[in-house]
Parts: sequence; C-alpha cells; structure tokens
Amino acid sequence: GESVGLHLPTLSVQEGDNSIINCAYSNSASDYFIWYKQESGKGPQFIIDIRSNMDKRQGQRVTVLLNKTVKHLSLQIAATQPGDSAVYFCAESSLAYDKVIFGPGTSLSVIP
Amino acid sequence: NAGVTQTPKFRVLKTGQSMTLLCAQDMNHEYMYWYRQDPGMGLRLIHYSVGEGTTAKGEVPDGYNVSRLKKQNFLLGLESAAPSQTSVYFCASSRAESVAFFGQGTRLTVV
Repeated sequence: GESVGLHLPTLSVQEGDNSIINCAYSNSASDYFIWYKQESGKGPQFIIDIRSNMDKRQGQRVTVLLNKTVKHLSLQIAATQPGDSAVYFCAESSLAYDKVIFGPGTSLSVIP
Repeated sequence: NAGVTQTPKFRVLKTGQSMTLLCAQDMNHEYMYWYRQDPGMGLRLIHYSVGEGTTAKGEVPDGYNVSRLKKQNFLLGLESAAPSQTSVYFCASSRAESVAFFGQGTRLTVV
C-alpha cells in the first residue's frame, strides 16, 4: 500500500545512547531503500541508502539494516547527539514502479 | 550547484485564488516529485513525473495540476485554493532508483 498521512511517532533518547528507528516498508517489489533526516523548517536530506542485495550498510555513526523477509528496515544511530534531533523517514523505490514511497516518519528527540 | 530550488518560499492565498509553485533542478534528473507535508505528519505524494512531458498522479492529486514542459522544471498548480490545501509543499528530483534531493519547501496558507 501507499504511505498515508499519519501523526508521527516519537522516540526520546538520552544523549550518548544509541538510537534505533524502525520502518516497515510496503512493497515486496522494492529493491532500493533510503533514510532521510528532516530538521525543523527544512527539506528532507539523505542519510544512507541500501540495495536489496545487502542486509547491512554502515556510514559514519549510522547503520541501516534490511530484513526483506519481514519487509523491515532500521536505522541505528550511535552515540546520539542533540544535533540528531529531527524527523527520520524511510523511503522505498524500485525500477518496477516509478515513484519513491515514503514511510510515515519518526520524530527523534535527544535529551541532553 | 543550486540543486533543487522552489519558488516562492511563502505564500498566503485567499480561498478560490489560483497559484503556481515552481520547482527547478539543475542536476539533469529525470524524475521529479511534488509532496505535501502537514504539521506533525509525513510526506504525501501529490504528483510526479518520470521525464519531460510526462506526469502521473500520486496519493493525493485532487485539487492540483502539474506540468513538466522542460526537464529541469516541474510546476504545481492550484486552480481554486481551499483551506485544506494549507500545507508545506516539497519538490524533489532524482535519477531512477536513486536518492531524491529535496527543495527547502514552500509554506502555503489558504485563508
């Protein structure tokens, strides 16, 4: 199904702890997945991506895990900082269909 | 390299007025998208385009029209604005199955 308008779930994390943000994607034909970060008043920005031939990819302080069996994606942020406070969206796409489908998003709040 | 540029950044319309939002990208991307984002909500796809001269409906296309006459531009039109169209509008562009780059958004208020 398509992403629909839903109020954002919120995750609160203590500064320095690790954060895990989860996403259930909708289309089993999707083979490319992206995590975006949206700070207040700004457009979403790319964080990390992963293709379906991988189950894990690491960046700087971030790791994306992909479980195709249950259509689940997660974003792990190590040593969370106040600057990580934002809304995080997962997105899926495929050459089988033309558009990028966004998940509902999660609001991450970092407690100093 | 400007990336994705949206104009205007802010606009207030009266109910029934019309307007066009302009999105321009300088990355030679084939795909362009228009999303709306309501307060505390996710992104909902209005219309998108997979190439010059083509457009397609997204999740919430009613009340909007689009045109892609040039590859670098994607226009979103509101023919008769309604208060329910008060929102922040984001344009994005991408290559096929690749990262989408977003503009900074247009904050539209319909009174």
